[in-house]
Amino acid sequence: SQQGEEDPQALSIQEGENATMNCSYKTSINNLQWYRQNSGRGLVHLILIRSNEREKHSGRLRVTLDTSKKSSSLLITASRAADTASYFCATVPNYGGSQGNLIFGKGTKLSVKP
Amino acid sequence: IAGITQAPTSQILAAGRRMTLRCTQDMRHNAMYWYRQDLGLGLRLIHYSNTAGTTGKGEVPDGYSVSRANTDDFPLTLASAVPSQTSVYFCASTPGTGPSTEAFFGQGTRLTVV
Repeated sequence: SQQGEEDPQALSIQEGENATMNCSYKTSINNLQWYRQNSGRGLVHLILIRSNEREKHSGRLRVTLDTSKKSSSLLITASRAADTASYFCATVPNYGGSQGNLIFGKGTKLSVKP
Repeated sequence: IAGITQAPTSQILAAGRRMTLRCTQDMRHNAMYWYRQDLGLGLRLIHYSNTAGTTGKGEVPDGYSVSRANTDDFPLTLASAVPSQTSVYFCASTPGTGPSTEAFFGQGTRLTVV
């Protein structure tokens, strides 16, 4: 079963606006990752945040992690039409000190209109 | 260009036929994974290999088998294809023996079982 669940399932915004996507998960994690997928293509890694980190930045991307709420958010600032894609969160669960495998949510489909 | 190569890109397969999806990486990564992506379900892990010579079952392993004879190759075999195996299949790899760092994905194989 899915570990992560993204919210919203779909998001449509105008170019220049900020886009926020949320991810909730169920179990203790080692790290949480965000990926992007353009239509018909493979997934591309965007950013990784470890369980002991609360916030991370990469260019126009900002990721937060709240392990007490088991949730993360991805913020894309000043969005561009080229940001149109599906975005997935993926978690690496902790199983009693052992690391599990990367488990994906169902994704958020972002549409940025020029 | 270093990365993951999947073959074929797409395939239409008659039910009951045997099919092997190929995956090769040239990054000398230890761990490799096979996911299937279905509309509305996100990516689900089929099988994984933490290092050459070892394999493990993911969330949806039934009907699939894998082998890892060397570091570079991780083929996925459908012994007797069924229509429910119609999906897009992605191969991925990580440098370590688990996903503690980013995963690299191939471009996918679109398989239709008729």
